[in-house]
Amino acid sequence: KQEVTQIPAALSVPEGENLVLNCSFTDSAIYNLQWFRQDPGKGLTSLLLIQSSQREQTSGRLNASLDKSSGRSTLYIAASQPGDSATYLCAVVENTDKLIFGTGTRLQVFP
Amino acid sequence: SAVISQKPSRDICQRGTSLTIQCQVDSQVTMMFWYRQQPGQSLTLIATANQGSEATYESGFVIDKFPISRPNLTFSTLTVSNMSPEDSSIYLCSVRDQSGNTIYFGEGSWLTVV
Repeated sequence: KQEVTQIPAALSVPEGENLVLNCSFTDSAIYNLQWFRQDPGKGLTSLLLIQSSQREQTSGRLNASLDKSSGRSTLYIAASQPGDSATYLCAVVENTDKLIFGTGTRLQVFP
Repeated sequence: SAVISQKPSRDICQRGTSLTIQCQVDSQVTMMFWYRQQPGQSLTLIATANQGSEATYESGFVIDKFPISRPNLTFSTLTVSNMSPEDSSIYLCSVRDQSGNTIYFGEGSWLTVV
């Protein structure tokens, strides 16, 4: 059974810092991996999608990497801003179309 | 991308009643899903909504408790039946886009059962 874990569970940093959020999964037979952002009381916003054949994806200040063999993905946030404060979720997709979510990292960036 | 609208966005419900949540997508999509997020937890898939046939439920979820309809490729409903306080959650509709890769989520429906 696939399990997805995210470390750290919570993170509080001053504005401007570069951040690394970690995601690990137990079964490397994934179709793709997706990172989401969730603001309090809101739905999910898709940030980055990495296909199983890819090593990384970039969008603006965000960079996500994938190492299938070791069952790991990282989300790198450059020059963090208070507006980045949210919960970040990673999810893996197996061939059944089902998203299996991690436990999330709650990020707070203070001015 | 796909734009997803959910109704209601929030509701407070009495124990024992049922509530139907609507999900409308701005384009035709093949795959639609319903997720639940209990307080302080991550998301769990309830079922895949299949157009023209019965939904496919995940382990721990049954049709009598969470009946789902999907009359066409842009619309689905989830009913939470005979609600109890344990059903207080955010319920989220999601779709897979036409490219078959990215999954998008609605804003969610926040239900509180009292």
